[in-house]
Amino acid sequence: DAGVTQSPTHLIKTRGQQVTLRCSPISGHKSVSWYQQVLGQGPQFIFQYYEKEERGRGNFPDRFSARQFPNYSSELNVNALLLGDSALYLCASSPGQGAYNEQFFGPGTRLTVL
Amino acid sequence: GQSLEQPSEVTAVEGAIVQINCTYQTSGFYGLSWYQQHDGGAPTFLSYNALDGLEETGRFSSFLSRSDSYGYLLLQELQMKDSASYFCAVRDRASKIIFGSGTRLSIRP
Repeated sequence: DAGVTQSPTHLIKTRGQQVTLRCSPISGHKSVSWYQQVLGQGPQFIFQYYEKEERGRGNFPDRFSARQFPNYSSELNVNALLLGDSALYLCASSPGQGAYNEQFFGPGTRLTVL
Repeated sequence: GQSLEQPSEVTAVEGAIVQINCTYQTSGFYGLSWYQQHDGGAPTFLSYNALDGLEETGRFSSFLSRSDSYGYLLLQELQMKDSASYFCAVRDRASKIIFGSGTRLSIRP
């Protein structure tokens, strides 16, 4: 079975641009969460979506938005990119919404903002 | 504020036992999870504790004390492949998932 997939693998953008990151969860998983990870730190929670509705939001500005599609895949959009947005963006899927659900992480998208 | 505290680095010897502690302060608590992340890789799930006590999964065990807002991950019979970063994580009442800053485990032969 395929694991969580993310695209693209790497991305280079300039300040002020907009970016869209994509995530496909494990088949049968209805929950997708997005995280930002800066080198040497733990993942920072951005969003959780379950059954196409936002179920949790971290402390990120409104420049960050996401959505989940009927097939449970998800997109993360970041507008007006700043240098500080450079990070590894991780997507994780789980069967359900609850805390007891093991999260399966994708390989991440490495975003570099110049 | 909300925070999870864990040691930044731990060093141990191959074959030994190591304990990685995590204390948390969150608004609401819905279980403590542990994840392992090798350099350049994605986090992988190790364990989840919702109730007080010890959960054992092979060489790894995880403990939770909700009254102390404290948990730990215990790794036994350490192998070189266990060298990685280990993160504790908590889901709060707002459904935010909060990760600690991670403990880098280095294992010496």
